[in-house]
Amino acid sequence: DAGVIQSPRHEVTEMGQEVTLRCKPISGHDYLFWYRQTMMRGLELLIYFNNNVPIDDSGMPEDRFSAKMPNASFSTLKIQPSEPRDSAVYFCASSYMRLVGPGELFFGEGSRLTVL
Amino acid sequence: AQTVTQSQPEMSVQEAETVTLSCTYDTSESDYYLFWYKQPPSRQMILVIRQEAYKQQNATENRFSVNFQKAAKSFSLKISDSQLGDAAMYFCDTGANSKLTFGKGITLSVRP
Repeated sequence: DAGVIQSPRHEVTEMGQEVTLRCKPISGHDYLFWYRQTMMRGLELLIYFNNNVPIDDSGMPEDRFSAKMPNASFSTLKIQPSEPRDSAVYFCASSYMRLVGPGELFFGEGSRLTVL
Repeated sequence: AQTVTQSQPEMSVQEAETVTLSCTYDTSESDYYLFWYKQPPSRQMILVIRQEAYKQQNATENRFSVNFQKAAKSFSLKISDSQLGDAAMYFCDTGANSKLTFGKGITLSVRP
């Protein structure tokens, strides 16, 4: 089975440009998570969805960030306008319901974003 | 809210030796899972081991085992017979109440 698929793997853009990161979760999983990883802040949860519905977006840094999940097989994380401090590796992960919440996470390979 | 603490940012182990990575957490949930993930330099995160909080028995997966102390809210990972391929960043995570919370991670180096 295919794992979580993220695109692009690498993105270099200039400050002020719009960036869209994409994620295809594992088929049958009903949770989807977006994380950001930097050296300074470690791994941060930005937002997660359950059955395509955003459940918690308290980790989204500011209004420049938005995430959507129009269907069970696709999600986007958009940054508009981008800033140099947004440079990071963005991970998407999916999971399925276990007992009282999501089980283990299956991560994509990440999208490395560099904003100049 | 759930919190996870990994107080050792870096650890080192000699190849073939045993190392223990520590993790403490705080949650108000009674039923939850605990996970250890590994992130090698290639950066993709993979699951190492999973523990269900309602189980008394500590989880074991080949060379990896956990020491789960529910009352103390402690969840350490023991790696036996360390191999060069174990060098990575390790994250402890709790999945309580649909809110997965990661620790800061521990960077493990393995000396040949």
